[in-house]
Amino acid sequence: AQSVAQPEDQVNVAEGNPLTVKCTYSVSGNPYLFWYVQYPNRGLQFLLKYITGDNLVKGSYGFEAEFNKSQTSFHLKKPSALVSDSALYFCAVRDGGVDSNYQLIWGAGTKLIIKP
Amino acid sequence: EAQVTQNPRYLITVTGKKLTVTCSQNMNHEYMSWYRQDPGLGLRQIYYSMNVEVTDKGDVPEGYKVSRKEKRNFPLILESPSPNQTSLYFCASSFSGTLIYEQYFGPGTRLTVT
Repeated sequence: AQSVAQPEDQVNVAEGNPLTVKCTYSVSGNPYLFWYVQYPNRGLQFLLKYITGDNLVKGSYGFEAEFNKSQTSFHLKKPSALVSDSALYFCAVRDGGVDSNYQLIWGAGTKLIIKP
Repeated sequence: EAQVTQNPRYLITVTGKKLTVTCSQNMNHEYMSWYRQDPGLGLRQIYYSMNVEVTDKGDVPEGYKVSRKEKRNFPLILESPSPNQTSLYFCASSFSGTLIYEQYFGPGTRLTVT
């Protein structure tokens, strides 16, 4: 079955430190992987994607993510966290299975808290 | 300004009273979708539309209806709401092809069914 997991409900990081938000997936075929961010009382915003090519993809607001095929992971990273990065982060993967409708499968979300 | 708008933003209603949540986008997007967001469950897709007059069920379509008569509008209809439909609802839109995955989201509609 196609699935995506975000193993941490919450991640706490001090401002200025590097941050990582974890995501692992299970899909048929080649994965299309995405990260979205949801700020309080707002809709989701697209951050970055991996479809093919370089395993390290760069996105908005200084975020990047590393695709690791052997570990079936797509962790979100940022070298130096800002308080304004505090938000809910969602990982998503395209369902490419035989019976799929090619829609996105969403993780449960990880709350990122950056402390001053 | 490019945006997806939803109305109402907040709604409290009673079981069985039909309601419609409107969604409109001004970006000429072909693709539109409705999601519900519940704590610990992430986003679950209700219905989606690849273009005008083309709609399809998502993961949790029971109790919902949609229509796509115009490209810009994609209303969500709850014919007989029940308390288990209390949730935060998001409409999203995008261009077609691989851009379908770069979705623009509305601000959300918080629905409470008592």
